Amino acid sequence: TQLLEQSPQFLSIQEGENLTVYCNSSSVFSSLQWYRQEPGEGPVLLVTVVTGGEVKKLKRLTFQFGDARKDSSLHITAAQPGDTGLYLCASEPLYGQNFVFGPGTRLSVLP
Amino acid sequence: NAGVTQTPKFRILKIGQSMTLQCTQDMNHNYMYWYRQDPGMGLKLIYYSVGAGITDKGEVPNGYNVSRSTTEDFPLRLELAAPSQTSVYFCASNQGRGDLGETQYFGPGTRLLVL
Repeated sequence: TQLLEQSPQFLSIQEGENLTVYCNSSSVFSSLQWYRQEPGEGPVLLVTVVTGGEVKKLKRLTFQFGDARKDSSLHITAAQPGDTGLYLCASEPLYGQNFVFGPGTRLSVLP
Repeated sequence: NAGVTQTPKFRILKIGQSMTLQCTQDMNHNYMYWYRQDPGMGLKLIYYSVGAGITDKGEVPNGYNVSRSTTEDFPLRLELAAPSQTSVYFCASNQGRGDLGETQYFGPGTRLLVL
């Protein structure tokens, strides 16, 4: 089973700061997804990256897929309190049917 | 569309009791999943289904059972509740087109406490 690691586990920052969170594996992904989960809710998909080296932007969020397709990062510019939540990465293995989720990074943005 | 709905939202069970967690989706999705999420952990796959009448075990199936008699519904059954089953349970679905990175849609979760 492919294992995903996410770092940091927790992050607390002030509004307006920038941050980067990471998702890593020893195995190659066929695709990788980032989800945000707010308290009391299910995860909601933010982005899917498929191609090695791919960069996608979603307003203040920038997602990067590593060239070797074993890692990914999420960068948030000028964080806002509304960005607070649990950020999960999920990988679709090269061989196999089901997504594997990382443990998540819990982000708190203080006003 | 309501998307994926789950009931109940919260439940307390005594050890040894049984219950069924309900999940319904109105998107005509073929694939449905049950995950559990423990504090500080990611989502662990319990069971999944690729269509009505077809189910298979995920990573952590022990202590659970599922059925899929219709496309819309995918109930999860706990027969003999144990404290280790205290968790938040999420149901999810996707179309199952075979595309890379297909979006999974999640329900709001059921919080279960076994005492």
